[in-house]
Amino acid sequence: ETGVTQTPRHLVMGMTNKKSLKCEQHLGHNAMYWYKQSAKKPLELMFVYSLEERVENNSVPSRFSPECPNSSHLFLHLHTLQPEDSALYLCASSLKGDGQADTQYFGPGTRLTVL
Amino acid sequence: GQNIDQPTEMTATEGAIVQINCTYQTSGFNGLFWYQQHAGEAPTFLSYNVLDGLEEKGRFSSFLSRSKGYSYLLLKELQMKDSASYLCAVVDSNYQLIWGAGTKLIIKP
Repeated sequence: ETGVTQTPRHLVMGMTNKKSLKCEQHLGHNAMYWYKQSAKKPLELMFVYSLEERVENNSVPSRFSPECPNSSHLFLHLHTLQPEDSALYLCASSLKGDGQADTQYFGPGTRLTVL
Repeated sequence: GQNIDQPTEMTATEGAIVQINCTYQTSGFNGLFWYQQHAGEAPTFLSYNVLDGLEEKGRFSSFLSRSKGYSYLLLKELQMKDSASYLCAVVDSNYQLIWGAGTKLIIKP
């Protein structure tokens, strides 16, 4: 059982499609994160939200658009992606949002394939 | 630049002991995390070290030497379920988390 859920678990999309990834945390945390995980590479932090405000955007292309409507939900909207965007997209949450020296709890990820 | 180094893959035998090393060069240091990630699953928290020394938690222990920029994760009495990737991550002076690429641990009977 995990306190962080992600849907869908698998997604295949064409380069012209628009899709959204959803993350929900049931832990009462104040910060939420999006990461990209590619094979044999370190986790890449994409976005950080603290108390529903975006506090970090790590030079992510505009074809990725995050949305945090409340402290429990996080979305990643995708449009006109490229094949190199194929990866595992992980959502995480932590209790505090001031910096990242706080244990993060991860969801199981969405395996994205862009054709 | 900032860098975390850990072996790409290790193999060990069930019942044995394995040590997974992590060396880091970062701008400052505010703690080091170890996470476990089974294939197709979420990374899960194992340990956090901010002071030098060994922290023991059941079969798993984590060691830190800040002066050497070095940590290791020690797994004892290995079980097949310990087959997973082990991720090392360091919190730098800006409280940013710098991740290693992970070590894939294969346990053989």
